[in-house]
Amino acid sequence: EDQVTQSPEALRLQEGESSSLNCSYTVSGLRGLFWYRQDPGKGPEFLFTLYSAGEEKEKERLKATLTKKESFLHITAPKPEDSATYLCAVLYYSGGGADGLTFGKGTHLIIQP
Amino acid sequence: DTGVSQNPRHKITKRGQNVTFRCDPISEHNRLYWYRQTLGQGPEFLTYFQNEAQLEKSRLLSDRFSAERPKGSFSTLEIQRTEQGDSAMYLCASSLVTSSYEQYFGPGTRLTVT
Repeated sequence: EDQVTQSPEALRLQEGESSSLNCSYTVSGLRGLFWYRQDPGKGPEFLFTLYSAGEEKEKERLKATLTKKESFLHITAPKPEDSATYLCAVLYYSGGGADGLTFGKGTHLIIQP
Repeated sequence: DTGVSQNPRHKITKRGQNVTFRCDPISEHNRLYWYRQTLGQGPEFLTYFQNEAQLEKSRLLSDRFSAERPKGSFSTLEIQRTEQGDSAMYLCASSLVTSSYEQYFGPGTRLTVT
């Protein structure tokens, strides 16, 4: 069973059409939930970290929120340059004490002019 | 502000050959991570270092893989006797040991095994 599930897998929007991406997680002992943006052929670019339910963070047209079981990345009035794959990842307390992030498969977002 | 750098950016090798990748983290960061990403998937954690100590290895890291960070600065990831299944993007990330846990990624090395 996947520990981090992102939906939808792909999303096509018109420029200016707001929407939300979902990230649900099943791990316990969450230490942090992370959002990254990844352009084709490049490494992930850090966007946000959320630590506890009810927390929200904003950056330009993006706003990330967190509940006890999921996170949303809200995109307001997107522009074509917002087109990318958005990755969600969690860091949690495990028996081995690993500090590696566990990623979802991402949502491929296309914004059409 | 220089970010995480990785070399080479692309590597094509024949099955059975050994390859080595290098990662230079953000200068003040004392933690360094290696991930592997295949097409359509999120990155998968392989291993990480705090300074020169390798503290965690994923079960994905077979015996053919070895990573080092000899002076607590740059790191190398070596794959011996490459297989076609090793074809992937190998990503390096770095972070500070703080309560923020934020990891910053490099551009990756794209490995193709023919």
